[in-house]
Parts: sequence; C-alpha cells; structure tokens
Amino acid sequence: GAVVSQHPSRVICKSGTSVKIECRSLDFQATTMFWYRQFPKQSLMLMATSNEGSKATYEQGVEKDKFLINHASLTLSTLTVTSAHPEDSSFYICSARDVGHTAYEQYFGPGTRLTVT
Amino acid sequence: KQEVTQIPAALSVPEGENLVLNCSFTDSAIYNLQWFRQDPGKGLTSLLLIQSSQREQTSGRLNASLDKSSGRSTLYIAASQPGDSATYLCAVVYGQNFVFGPGTRLSVLP
Repeated sequence: GAVVSQHPSRVICKSGTSVKIECRSLDFQATTMFWYRQFPKQSLMLMATSNEGSKATYEQGVEKDKFLINHASLTLSTLTVTSAHPEDSSFYICSARDVGHTAYEQYFGPGTRLTVT
Repeated sequence: KQEVTQIPAALSVPEGENLVLNCSFTDSAIYNLQWFRQDPGKGLTSLLLIQSSQREQTSGRLNASLDKSSGRSTLYIAASQPGDSATYLCAVVYGQNFVFGPGTRLSVLP
C-alpha cells in the first residue's frame, strides 16, 4: 500500500529558531500534499495545500511567512516553521494524494511532534 | 462551510460491549466519508472509507454507515476489546479537502 513518511518524528527547538519537517511519498508520486496541525485533544486542522512546482495555498488564518512550504519534487514536501514560538508546539501531519487519483485517496504520514521551548 | 461534529466526545465501556460512534456534517455535498483511528501521539490509521454513493462499509468487527441526506454517519464496533482504545476521527472529503471531526476518545476496559 501507499506509504507516507515524515521526518523527524519528534523535534525540540528553542524559541526563535527555525525547524524543517519533511514529508515523503515512498512508493507513489504525489502532485498534491497537505499539511495539518493538531493541538492536544483537538482534531486536525488543514494548514495548507502544497502543489508540486507551484506555491502553496494556505488556509485562512495561517501565516504563510511563518510556515514555509516547499514541494520541489513529486515525492517530497517540506514545512519550515520559522522563528518558532512555544505556541507553535503541536503535532504536524502531512498527507499525499497519488497522481491521477481523486481527492479522497490521500495517504497520511505518521506525524511530527514539535516542541518549542 | 463544512462542519463536522462527533458524539460522544469520550466513551468508556467494558470489554465485550458493542458500541456506536456518531458523526454529523452540515453540508451533504461530500465526495466521501472516512473513519480513522488515532493512537496517542501517533498518526492516522484508515479504518473505513464510504463513497458518497454507498450506504455502508464493513471490515471485520467494524461497520460504518452513511446517510448523506441527513448528514450523518455511524461507526459500529462489535465485541469491543482493550486494543480498540484510541481516538476515532471521522472526516468528509469536501471540495478538494478533508474536513475532520473532533474525535471520540474510546476506552475499553478489560
């Protein structure tokens, strides 16, 4: 089956620094990847949609200059949290849609736990 | 705007009980509905996918139903086991995106 990986699985960084999270589709090509954020005991909220070779589309209320998304290839999207603050601490999950497949065929990564101290 | 709600927010049952988790959505113009399981600190495991033209799907002890017109879905778990303890999320595919409910935290006590 389709597998999506994320790296790192956990990261702790100091306030003011930047951290990059990678999302890879391992056995399929993904023209579109999605980034979600999940706060404790809350559901997943879509942050942005990442399309290969073009700029990401951000959801309302998500700062595009703070959460930089790059989708440089059909198998890799990265989320960079710039100038991280403690309130950015969250669980970040990506998903990927297989090329040629419909919207519902998304495969989710295992998530990355970000803690900003 | 699509909104997804789930009832109950939390549920604790003794092992062996059958149980029902509920999911409601406000706009019936969905492509599909999908149920996921999430263990603490982990990602999502897809359980069942119901396409908009379908009314139910079954996998092992799990059965999910969909009533698009009323904006409701239920997940039925038969003969619950301690290993079923997790948070269960429902999500609808609306437009090009998934919209998730807040989840039901299930505890099955041995």
